[in-house]
Amino acid sequence: NAGVTQTPKFRILKIGQSMTLQCAQDMNHNYMYWYRQDPGMGLKLIYYSVGAGITDKGEVPNGYNVSRSTTEDFPLRLELAAPSQTSVYFCASSQQQNYGYTFGSGTRLTVV
Amino acid sequence: AQSVSQHNHHVILSEAASLELGCNYSYGGTVNLFWYVQYPGQHLQLLLKYFSGDPLVKGIKGFEAEFIKSKFSFNLRKPSVQWSDTAEYFCAVKSSGSARQLTFGSGTQLTVLP
Repeated sequence: NAGVTQTPKFRILKIGQSMTLQCAQDMNHNYMYWYRQDPGMGLKLIYYSVGAGITDKGEVPNGYNVSRSTTEDFPLRLELAAPSQTSVYFCASSQQQNYGYTFGSGTRLTVV
Repeated sequence: AQSVSQHNHHVILSEAASLELGCNYSYGGTVNLFWYVQYPGQHLQLLLKYFSGDPLVKGIKGFEAEFIKSKFSFNLRKPSVQWSDTAEYFCAVKSSGSARQLTFGSGTQLTVLP
């Protein structure tokens, strides 16, 4: 099993550009999450989804959008990149609400 | 809202020393508790978790944690650390039944000197 797959691993964007961070899981998990990790700040939840067609905001959703058209995929969209979005982004999934999460390997994004 | 505090930002130990990393949370109801580890350049991996039952939880690689409800704590311990334990450790809390999220602490960087 591949688990949670994120692409790309690295990306440099210019201010104002847009991009989509891809996340796919092959474990048939209903719950999927996007976190950003900044030094000394831990992980902050951006968006999450409890199933196909259902998404909701997390703690830091501004500047991002998500969609969940299938159980497997949960892409994160940045419409107008800003330097404050420079971060490492992790996608995660879980089988049920109270289970531990399986994390992807992360996407390191730099906005210049 | 729930929150998680990890008071030690950076811990430096010599090999074979004992380890205890503090984790305190604020939430009055039933919680699920987790410790994750992130090795350099890698993603987070689950070390151990507590849902209910025995408050002393054993995880992978010789780690254990003790849930003390009266102190709102879930400290991580290991009797003898190895150089390979150098990593960042995150405590996380989830209120039982909530569909929203894990709330993570800010992390503790552990450096083990050979």
